[in-house]
Amino acid sequence: NAGVTQTPKFRVLKTGQSMTLLCAQDMNHEYMYWYRQDPGMGLRLIHYSVGEGTTAKGEVPDGYNVSRLKKQNFLLGLESAAPSQTSVYFCASSYIGEQFFGPGTRLTVL
Amino acid sequence: GNSVTQMEGPVTLSEEAFLTINCTYTATGYPSLFWYVQYPGEGLQLLLKATKADDKGSNKGFEATYRKETTSFHLEKGSVQVSDSAVYFCALRPISSGSARQLTFGSGTQLTVLP
Repeated sequence: NAGVTQTPKFRVLKTGQSMTLLCAQDMNHEYMYWYRQDPGMGLRLIHYSVGEGTTAKGEVPDGYNVSRLKKQNFLLGLESAAPSQTSVYFCASSYIGEQFFGPGTRLTVL
Repeated sequence: GNSVTQMEGPVTLSEEAFLTINCTYTATGYPSLFWYVQYPGEGLQLLLKATKADDKGSNKGFEATYRKETTSFHLEKGSVQVSDSAVYFCALRPISSGSARQLTFGSGTQLTVLP
């Protein structure tokens, strides 16, 4: 099992550009999450999904959109990137307890 | 609201030293409590957990006890190794998280163990 994988690992964008981050899990988990990690602030929840076709806002959803068209995939989109979105993004999935995390995507917005 | 407060880092110890990383929380009722570890360049991994008051979670020589009276979940290890160098996150899952099972994280504590 690969667990939780994220694509890409690194990305540099210019202000105003768009991109999509892909998260995939092969554990048949219902719940999936997108977090951002910033220095001194821990992890903050952006959006989450409790099942295929469902999404909901987390703590810091502004500037991001998500989709969960397939159970195994959870996409995070930035329509118009801003420097404030420079961060490390983590995806996670869970079933009844423990959350399993991907390796992260380091995004820099210039 | 729910919150987790962690001991500020970074923490630097010599190998075989005793480790304590403090964690206190604010939440309604009896949340579940977790410690996650993040090794350099990797995602977070669950280290240990406790789901009710007075429970002790343990794994890889690390321990933490759920103290309702002090709303704390301090992480301890009797003898750290260089391989324990990582960032440690305390987290809680409130009873009210319902089907979403959302976690609230502390800010993380960087631990460096020197040989």
